[in-house]
Amino acid sequence: GQQLNQSPQSMFIQEGEDVSMNCTSSSIFNTWLWYKQDPGEGPVLLIALYKAGELTSNGRLTAQFGITRKDSFLNISASIPSDVGIYFCAGQQTGTYKYIFGTGTRLKVLA
Amino acid sequence: GAVVSQHPSWVICKSGTSVKIECRSLDFQATTMFWYRQFPKQSLMLMATSNEGSKATYEQGVEKDKFLINHASLTLSTLTVTSAHPEDSSFYICSARSGEGAVGYTFGSGTRLTIV
Repeated sequence: GQQLNQSPQSMFIQEGEDVSMNCTSSSIFNTWLWYKQDPGEGPVLLIALYKAGELTSNGRLTAQFGITRKDSFLNISASIPSDVGIYFCAGQQTGTYKYIFGTGTRLKVLA
Repeated sequence: GAVVSQHPSWVICKSGTSVKIECRSLDFQATTMFWYRQFPKQSLMLMATSNEGSKATYEQGVEKDKFLINHASLTLSTLTVTSAHPEDSSFYICSARSGEGAVGYTFGSGTRLTIV
């Protein structure tokens, strides 16, 4: 099935550092979502984006809907150990109720 | 908030047996639920869309006779993996939309299926 490309695939950072990851597609999406998945659990929604150029924050997390509608990025500021997990972007195209998931970014935070 | 419960959380079965996984929306009605499969260190791949009172819609490449989906009520969808084989071992996750204005979908906690 179709997937969105996420980068980086994985990253190791020191506690307190900022993190940035992005998601790109060859198709246009009208909604972008960012999820976090802990090991052995289902994904949990972090941020939702609805308009091109939109910038939305949720605590230390900030995400933006790319102007071209083909990409999105997620920033995490001042990372803490509990930020460890896999972050997935998900996009929804016009006229469909389905979400396509990105390949995921695995984040590890070193205390 | 919206809660989706999945059961069992893990199961180990012998090859050739059938396994049923339940997905329940606890505090809302879900006319549509979705089933995903996730292999280790990979993303979520949509398998099928479960529609209450009608047949499920399967994604390309997913065998509908092997992965039976039943959505008999507004709060319950089941996925049955028939004649399971080791290659069916995976993490299966369901999700549901908690309302027309809901953002995204709420996911269950997943079922780790291991076929030996």
